[in-house]
Amino acid sequence: KNEVEQSPQNLTAQEGEFITINCSYSVGISALHWLQQHPGGGIVSLFMLSSGKKKHGRLIATINIQEKHSSLHITASHPRDSAVYICAGMNYGGATNKLIFGTGTLLAVQP
Amino acid sequence: EPEVTQTPSHQVTQMGQEVILRCVPISNHLYFYWYRQILGQKVEFLVSFYNNEISEKSEIFDDQFSVERPDGSNFTLKIRSTKLEDSAMYFCASRGQGGHGYTFGSGTRLTVV
Repeated sequence: KNEVEQSPQNLTAQEGEFITINCSYSVGISALHWLQQHPGGGIVSLFMLSSGKKKHGRLIATINIQEKHSSLHITASHPRDSAVYICAGMNYGGATNKLIFGTGTLLAVQP
Repeated sequence: EPEVTQTPSHQVTQMGQEVILRCVPISNHLYFYWYRQILGQKVEFLVSFYNNEISEKSEIFDDQFSVERPDGSNFTLKIRSTKLEDSAMYFCASRGQGGHGYTFGSGTRLTVV
């Protein structure tokens, strides 16, 4: 069964800190999405990774295919980064490319 | 930037009533999805739709649920006889070829009373 596990569930950081959120996934998942969900509920896609590393502004996502592990890093964190960060696995190239979601990490960045 | 539009943003309905949740996917996308998130839980896949038919559905997507793309732009989710446990946030998503471009709508919060 395809599964995605995320840690930590909750994370509190001080403004400026470097943040790491981790995601492990099972066999059958060949790509990872990192998503952001704000209190209003909307979901925004941050990255899709099937190998290597991607960077967008202060966000960096990495994936290790052999270890089936991905990380999302936030450099120089800011209170506006406070949100739920979710990793979601996908069988890239599968029939439907549906997403299998992790439970999310609630990040609070304090000023 | 292109976006997926969902309406209404919030719907309250009585148990046993039919509801239709509406979505307008990104115009050149080919794959369409409905997901739901019960309060405090993770997002769950409901159904995927491609080439005018369901390509996959989850165990949640029973006979009470149906999807339709009636006019080439809208993509709807119908729940025939709502139950209290259908209360959730429902997200529509669409994507183009490959796994890229996965775009979510802002969601419809359905409350069944």
